[in-house]
Amino acid sequence: DTAVSQTPKYLVTQMGNDKSIKCEQNLGHDTMYWYKQDSKKFLKIMFSYNNKELIINETVPNRFSPKSPDKAHLNLHINSLELGDSAVYFCASSGRGGLNTEAFFGQGTRLTVV
Amino acid sequence: AQRVTQPEKLLSVFKGAPVELKCNYSYSGSPELFWYVQYSRQRLQLLLRHISRESIKGFTADLNKGETSFHLKKPFAQEEDSAMYYCALRRAGGTSYGKLTFGQGTILTVHP
Repeated sequence: DTAVSQTPKYLVTQMGNDKSIKCEQNLGHDTMYWYKQDSKKFLKIMFSYNNKELIINETVPNRFSPKSPDKAHLNLHINSLELGDSAVYFCASSGRGGLNTEAFFGQGTRLTVV
Repeated sequence: AQRVTQPEKLLSVFKGAPVELKCNYSYSGSPELFWYVQYSRQRLQLLLRHISRESIKGFTADLNKGETSFHLKKPFAQEEDSAMYYCALRRAGGTSYGKLTFGQGTILTVHP
């Protein structure tokens, strides 16, 4: 069973479109994240949700809106896509337990804006 | 603010040679340090964490608080070690709970 799964794996779309990336985890974790890996492979956190509540928003443009319908899902909706949004987006989750919880990552969604 | 620096973007070694991937951090509190590995077109996965003090796939890393470093080492590199390696830092509590701050990553290539 896949622990953290994202769909789609690849997404090619035109500038100005609106798209969503879905993420699901079956680990029973309380916290989920979105990370962005840019063209230089730099990996940076975008959002974090804990029990469906937004707890981290790292100065991401308003065009990006995460939605967590339940603890197991954290979707990422992007409005008015721009060329600079092209990147690989990773979903991750981690459980309760303070310092000893490992973050599990999804396989990534490669978004290409043309 | 917390920061993680991996000074080498690319590192090439030959099979059987020792390898060391450098990681330095800046953080005012007590950090938890990790190494994550990403093999070609695969998901990011945890390689090891400093609190476990374990060796995974022959890799070890020791947290040196005096030098604020967490270098990853392996005495004899293998071709299958070729991958992107990320050093990451985390602190617990508050709004930063669980958040990982990553270094820029180091691409390790092990030649036959």
